[in-house]
Amino acid sequence: DAKTTQPNSMESNEEEPVHLPCNHSTISGTDYIHWYRQLPSQGPEYVIHGLTSNVNNRMASLAIAEDRKSSTLILHRATLRDAAVYYCITNAGGTSYGKLTFGQGTILTVHP
Amino acid sequence: KAGVTQTPRYLIKTRGQQVTLSCSPISGHRSVSWYQQTPGQGLQFLFEYFSETQRNKGNFPGRFSGRQFSNSRSEMNVSTLELGDSALYLCASSLVISSSTDTQYFGPGTRLTVL
Repeated sequence: DAKTTQPNSMESNEEEPVHLPCNHSTISGTDYIHWYRQLPSQGPEYVIHGLTSNVNNRMASLAIAEDRKSSTLILHRATLRDAAVYYCITNAGGTSYGKLTFGQGTILTVHP
Repeated sequence: KAGVTQTPRYLIKTRGQQVTLSCSPISGHRSVSWYQQTPGQGLQFLFEYFSETQRNKGNFPGRFSGRQFSNSRSEMNVSTLELGDSALYLCASSLVISSSTDTQYFGPGTRLTVL
């Protein structure tokens, strides 16, 4: 799995958009990009994943750079409940059965 | 559908003892992964089980072991506990359609404290 680099922390105000960046410059052509988040005192939860094209779901959007060396998780309107640690993970699949390689993630603070 | 459940939620043990943690995956999920989370090392992969077989293993000593039953429920065991084993142990289950795109669903974890 490619190494990912994320800012240690970011802050946002409630109801404003948040752009969480991730660098994965050594990503291979078949690695998917996954985002998980961990709310306080809970296990991680899936947010979104993609390969090449931008992706949207009810929680967030994922913008993937054309060269795939970076991606951005977009929360369109942050709420207090979005305060969490956000993890960007690249998954090579294949024989990496059930293994997600978590980095340190980005601590997102949302101010009321 | 019920989520991933882990028991017990909290556990206190002393050095040298052993401990068994249990995980019940989401109904229909066949893969169970285990992770250790500590403030210093973050989230680290322990091992993954599918159809009662360990398919993948992280870089942990042999004191850490696990197994999966025919109903996909899984247990992990830590023998000869050390102070450094104090951590949040997380279990995650997935459907197993594709190892590169499968979503993992995590339980709330078991908080183990070793005194």
